[in-house]
Amino acid sequence: NAGVTQTPKFQVLKTGQSMTLQCAQDMNHNSMYWYRQDPGMGLRLIYYSASEGTTDKGEVPNGYNVSRLNKREFSLRLESAAPSQTSVYFCASSERGSGANVLTFGAGSRLTVL
Amino acid sequence: AQSVAQPEDQVNVAEGNPLTVKCTYSVSGNPYLFWYVQYPNRGLQFLLKYITGDNLVKGSYGFEAEFNKSQTSFHLKKPSALVSDSALYFCAVRDRASNTDKLIFGTGTRLQVFP
Repeated sequence: NAGVTQTPKFQVLKTGQSMTLQCAQDMNHNSMYWYRQDPGMGLRLIYYSASEGTTDKGEVPNGYNVSRLNKREFSLRLESAAPSQTSVYFCASSERGSGANVLTFGAGSRLTVL
Repeated sequence: AQSVAQPEDQVNVAEGNPLTVKCTYSVSGNPYLFWYVQYPNRGLQFLLKYITGDNLVKGSYGFEAEFNKSQTSFHLKKPSALVSDSALYFCAVRDRASNTDKLIFGTGTRLQVFP
């Protein structure tokens, strides 16, 4: 049972380069999320997708775009990377509906922008 | 706006002693509250959540948390700490009125349990 799978696990970019972080879940969850984790700042929501076909901005969306490719996959794109985007990125998913649904997280993608 | 505060960057405790990791929250309505744990180089793992009812919530690995509405707190506790409990702990909140599961996280508290 894979859960939430993120690729790549590590990436080094130069300023101005672009890249896409991939995320896939096999739990038939409706909602997916992208967070970034920075020291002393906890996890901050970048974008989320409440259901297939919808995406919404979170707390820190600037410099990022997302695509909900299908129910399983939710990608995060950096069009022109900046050193401020050096971070660990986590994808998560949850069932959508009433109640307090638990988020299941991937193992993370560590991105360094030089 | 929703927010979560974890006032301690680090908590140190000796193995076998009780531990407490503090969390306070702010939401406009009634909250759903969560604790997650992160081990080195891993993603976050769910520990426990408060939905409604009993203010004392029991979770994984012997952890529990107490919801206190008047103090807007949701402190994580364990009666007897283990060295293996050493990790980064995050408190998170979701407004019940929200129609999504998106969570607002605190900044995290590093728990160090010494032998």
